[in-house]
Amino acid sequence: AQSVTQPDIHITVSEGASLELRCNYSYGATPYLFWYVQSPGQGLQLLLKYFSGDTLVQGIKGFEAEFKRSQSSFNLRKPSVHWSDAAEYFCAVGSTGGGNKLTFGTGTQLKVEL
Amino acid sequence: KAGVTQTPRYLIKTRGQQVTLSCSPISGHRSVSWYQQTPGQGLQFLFEYFSETQRNKGNFPGRFSGRQFSNSRSEMNVSTLELGDSALYLCASSFNSGARGDTQYFGPGTRLTVL
Repeated sequence: AQSVTQPDIHITVSEGASLELRCNYSYGATPYLFWYVQSPGQGLQLLLKYFSGDTLVQGIKGFEAEFKRSQSSFNLRKPSVHWSDAAEYFCAVGSTGGGNKLTFGTGTQLKVEL
Repeated sequence: KAGVTQTPRYLIKTRGQQVTLSCSPISGHRSVSWYQQTPGQGLQFLFEYFSETQRNKGNFPGRFSGRQFSNSRSEMNVSTLELGDSALYLCASSFNSGARGDTQYFGPGTRLTVL
């Protein structure tokens, strides 16, 4: 069964510092991978996705993620964090067996210190 | 283009009651999925509907059900509510059902509190 692990429950960074959020997946075939962000009281907003091709994926709000098959990882990065980036971030893997089922990680809560 | 809308946004029910939540997908989208989000279990997939047919189902009891109408709007129903059903229920829509390159867009959710 597919699964996603986000090892860091909470991360605190200073504004302007770089950010890396970790995500490891377990999936038998080439996965569909996503990063979503959720602000308090809001739904999920898609930051970026990987389906195939270039392993470095660019997303919105200056985020990028790199797919590493050998490490089963899809880490999210941002070179300079803004205070407005404080939110919860979810990594997800999509099913290729037909249908739109997403399996989410437990999320990483990002706090940005001014 | 309008996003995914969910009604109501907030709901308070008592144990044993039943509840119906509604989701209107983005115009042109035919797939609607439902997720439950709780602090303890995180985000869990409930089910997906595509062209009025249930395509996938998660590991939830039969008290959780759903349907989709010909205009792609979807409803989910929870019968005999339990305290543990208190959660944020998120709806997501996409154009296709599992097609490569497809993306799910989420609504703001319905916050259900069971007393």
